[in-house]
Formats: sequence, structure tokens, C-alpha cells
Amino acid sequence: DTEVTQTPKHLVMGMTNKKSLKCEQHMGHRAMYWYKQKAKKPPELMFVYSYEKLSINESVPSRFSPECPNSSLLNLHLHALQPEDSALYLCASSQKTGLAGVDEQYFGPGTRLTVT
Amino acid sequence: LAKTTQPISMDSYEGQEVNITCSHNNIATNDYITWYQQFPSQGPRFIIQGYKTKVTNEVASLFIPADRKSSTLSLPRVSLSDTAVYYCLVAPRMDSSYKLIFGSGTRLLVRP
Repeated sequence: DTEVTQTPKHLVMGMTNKKSLKCEQHMGHRAMYWYKQKAKKPPELMFVYSYEKLSINESVPSRFSPECPNSSLLNLHLHALQPEDSALYLCASSQKTGLAGVDEQYFGPGTRLTVT
Repeated sequence: LAKTTQPISMDSYEGQEVNITCSHNNIATNDYITWYQQFPSQGPRFIIQGYKTKVTNEVASLFIPADRKSSTLSLPRVSLSDTAVYYCLVAPRMDSSYKLIFGSGTRLLVRP
């Protein structure tokens, strides 16, 4: 199984709502990532989890809160978002971390988020 | 951090070979070059990765000259389904982790 799944596919939320995005992989990968992608722009890294610990936070606003409950799951909790946060949110995973070199990242299909 | 430069867009026709060149003048000794493909409303998909000379897989070839300041992704005999955005990435190394920084990418349009 080389698939990364993300739920929901689409999400519309108001600025006062609290919602969560979910990501799951069963490839035994030890690194998981959240990216944000605006229309016609490249993906931008938000967070990196390595062995279930947060290793990189790319100065993301606190209204985005990541969580890695176990090695297969990654959540992104959303609260008090702004309309400019509307984007495609991509989850990815990879086998290796650290100085072993760059490893192939497997991306999920993304969650299309609209903040109204 | 190495920065990459790619053409914004390219046009081709079915059956042709497409070569997309990426410049990365500040590439570090231990950096790898990776290419990803992304279709609309989908996550990027790994195509190929290399360090030097030439790498070939069932999908593409990657040519890297000795100075490693550029690289060329070669797609043989493209089809309409190869229409996508292609990203060239150079992976920096961190102490405890690494991260991919996507450049602007090249939008490839394959015409019938």
C-alpha cells in the first residue's frame, strides 16, 4: 500500500469554526508533512513530524495546530482561520529522516479548504 | 539553501521528447536533485532523483553535468496525460531533518 489518504476532500468553514484535517499512511514511514498550496503556486512546507515529534514548524500561525497521534496518523487542527487561509492542504510522508539524504515523499490528494 | 530556476511554461506535441532544464547555481555538495510532477487538484508525485551524471527510470531520465549547477529532466515521447506542472527541487540538509522547498515549477502543455 503506497497511498496517503486525506479527509475530508473538501471543507468549507467559517472564521469562528474549529475543524480538523486528517491524514493517514500505512507504509511504515517515519516522517510526515503538512504543506499548503495556493492556486497556481508551489506547495509550501508548514510542518514536519519525524518519529511522531514535531521537528520543523515553518513559522506557521498558531491558528494551525498539528498533531501526530501515532506513526500512521497526522492531524491539522484549524481554529479562527482567515479567508486568506483558503488553499489546498497536502499531507505527505517519507521513509527516512535526518542525514540519510532526501527520500521520496508520497503525497495525498489534499483537502480543498475554503474559509468564508 | 539552493534556489532553483525553471522555465515558467513549455509547450510540446504528443510523441515528442521534452527536456526541462533547472538551474541551481548554489547547490551544496551533499544536495540531491529531485523532480516531482503535479496534476491539477492532486498532490505532487515523485518522478526521479539524482546526484550526478545520469539517472534513468521507466518514466524519465535526469541528466546532471559535472558541475551540478543545472539538471535536465527528459521525458521521452510525451502524451496528453503528461500535461502537468513539473517541479525541480534541491534538497538541503538539516541537522535532524530535511525539507523540500518547491520552486515555481514548469507548466508543460502537451498538444495533440
